Amino acid sequence: DIVLTQSPATLSVTPGESVSLSCRASQGISTSIHWYQQKSNESPRLLIKFASQSISGIPSRFSGSGSGTDFTLSINRVESEDFSVYYCQQSYSLPRTFGAGTKLELK
Amino acid sequence: EVQLQESGPGLVKPSQSLSLTCSVTGYSITSNYWGWIRKFPGNKMEWMGYISYSGSTSYNPSLKSRISITRDTSKNQFFLQLNSVTTEDTATYYCARSHGGYPYYFDYWGQGVMVTVSS
Repeated sequence: DIVLTQSPATLSVTPGESVSLSCRASQGISTSIHWYQQKSNESPRLLIKFASQSISGIPSRFSGSGSGTDFTLSINRVESEDFSVYYCQQSYSLPRTFGAGTKLELK
Repeated sequence: EVQLQESGPGLVKPSQSLSLTCSVTGYSITSNYWGWIRKFPGNKMEWMGYISYSGSTSYNPSLKSRISITRDTSKNQFFLQLNSVTTEDTATYYCARSHGGYPYYFDYWGQGVMVTVSS
């Protein structure tokens, strides 16, 4: 199975800061990575597909980059509604796997 | 609008079977792929498996022979059965749709149903 390692586990920021969340794959997976946001007591919401492709309806402050084994989700100027947990998921091979998540919290 | 809704018992006894239903509205399950994903206490997410538009299935090997995903196209529902559950199967279970003709990522999710395995 492909292991996805997300870092940091928790990121404490103040609104207005820009942040980068990391997802590292245990082997090369091209751009087969997708990012989700999950707020407390809600279902996950797709933010970015195939490493950098935007999703309709998602604010433009969310962007993704990377290929191979290293991927980044960037949030430009964090807003209060962004405090939640972020997951990466790979679609390079079966079984699909998720990272353990990065919790973005208010400092 | 595509909507998914999970239903099923919130409490299951150890060694019994867990059975959940995902009811889909706004889109036919005879298109795309439809999956089950669970989130354990502590936030770990696990892909359990999917059923395709044609009815073919794929499962996470970690679940070995305990899992079965089936469907009823007349009701636009698909189902999860997990046998011989233990307390380690306590989780929130989500059904989700994979976008397009291959199960790359999940673009629509149900709200989730919390299942506790306990005697």
